[in-house]
Amino acid sequence: DAGVIQSPRHEVTEMGQEVTLRCKPISGHDYLFWYRQTMMRGLELLIYFNNNVPIDDSGMPEDRFSAKMPNASFSTLKIQPSEPRDSAVYFCASSPGTGGSGANVLTFGAGSRLTVL
Amino acid sequence: AQSVTQLDSHVSVSEGTPVLLRCNYSSSYSPSLFWYVQHPNKGLQLLLKYTSAATLVKGINGFEAEFKKSETSFHLTKPSAHMSDAAEYFCVVTLRGSTLGRLYFGRGTQLTVWP
Repeated sequence: DAGVIQSPRHEVTEMGQEVTLRCKPISGHDYLFWYRQTMMRGLELLIYFNNNVPIDDSGMPEDRFSAKMPNASFSTLKIQPSEPRDSAVYFCASSPGTGGSGANVLTFGAGSRLTVL
Repeated sequence: AQSVTQLDSHVSVSEGTPVLLRCNYSSSYSPSLFWYVQHPNKGLQLLLKYTSAATLVKGINGFEAEFKKSETSFHLTKPSAHMSDAAEYFCVVTLRGSTLGRLYFGRGTQLTVWP
């Protein structure tokens, strides 16, 4: 398996533009997480899905952020409109859930580094 | 409620000397505990995990951690540091149960290894 695939790896955009980050989880993983990492705030959970259904979105900063998981192999995190304070590294992670040897273990993607000017 | 406290934001050691990264947790129920490592410009990678078996857990790259319920600690150790161990380390706690719940990450400990 190629692991968790995120795109783009780097994105530079101007304030007010729409940004879409994409994630392909590991096949067979039932859970998908979106995290944001900044120097000031560390690693923050934005939202997570179980079987494509959002379970906890309490970490989504505001209405400018939205996340979808239309099927088991694809998720998007959208920011519209983007602001400079959204500059961060956004990580997607997936997990098989609570059973088996991989129970509760997250596999992270390489991240998408977003810079909003 | 669950939370994780990493007691040191930065740790510096010389190559070949022991490493100790400290983590305390707070959990109302039986926790699962993890250590992840993040090298520069990379995603996080699992080092080791504790679920409910042996309290001394061995991970990759010679790291190990001991679950001490009485001290609510899960410190990460390695007998001899290597230059390649320089990275950021995250302690994580989650509630062990039938469904995967929210994972709580510590703020991270930056490990520097001097030659």
